[in-house]
Amino acid sequence: GAGVSQTPSNKVTEKGKYVELRCDPISGHTALYWYRQSLGQGPEFLIYFQGTGAADDSGLPNDRFFAVRPEGSVSTLKIQRTERGDSAVYLCASSPGGSGNTIYFGEGSWLTVV
Amino acid sequence: AQTVTQSQPEMSVQEAETVTLSCTYDTSESDYYLFWYKQPPSRQMILVIRQEAYKQQNATENRFSVNFQKAAKSFSLKISDSQLGDAAMYFCAYRSAWISNMLTFGGGTRLMVKP
Repeated sequence: GAGVSQTPSNKVTEKGKYVELRCDPISGHTALYWYRQSLGQGPEFLIYFQGTGAADDSGLPNDRFFAVRPEGSVSTLKIQRTERGDSAVYLCASSPGGSGNTIYFGEGSWLTVV
Repeated sequence: AQTVTQSQPEMSVQEAETVTLSCTYDTSESDYYLFWYKQPPSRQMILVIRQEAYKQQNATENRFSVNFQKAAKSFSLKISDSQLGDAAMYFCAYRSAWISNMLTFGGGTRLMVKP
């Protein structure tokens, strides 16, 4: 596609529920990133994929958060037993890989836990 | 760990005037990249300009330019001839040249443009 696509754009869920957020990166991009942006703050790194494997998941806050990228393209961020503190915009980004390449962002999924 | 600091939560500029947004960072690395991203209400982070640390020449993209002071670890963004469409959140970001997995962002500066 032309850009990084994220669905859903907005999601409201009840505390304790399970949610999945989907990211479709730019075609051919091997690197994929998830960031979380709380209101009024800069994005914070969650996880990075190079191909199908999670090369760095050091930013995941706890074991309720999990992400997969089974075929090296689309990725899903999964959040179990959601809490109100999980409310944020979840941004996905992709790049061709390599430290010098520009990272391109999607418009994010705005998650609200009530 | 690297940190990025933006000390101006909000800035205001008159249309057609020039404004400078500040950014400082902390790192022990000698090779890295610095970026300015713009985030309008649509939430999408849009790359404005990038700077390679090994380049002494300041990057320029049309009305946008940077003042990169490596020794001072300072990376400010200058917007010339400000336009209403420049109003947005602006984030400064750091990326290691060796660990390509993440951008580290500052807290952002909200830029308002007055007509």
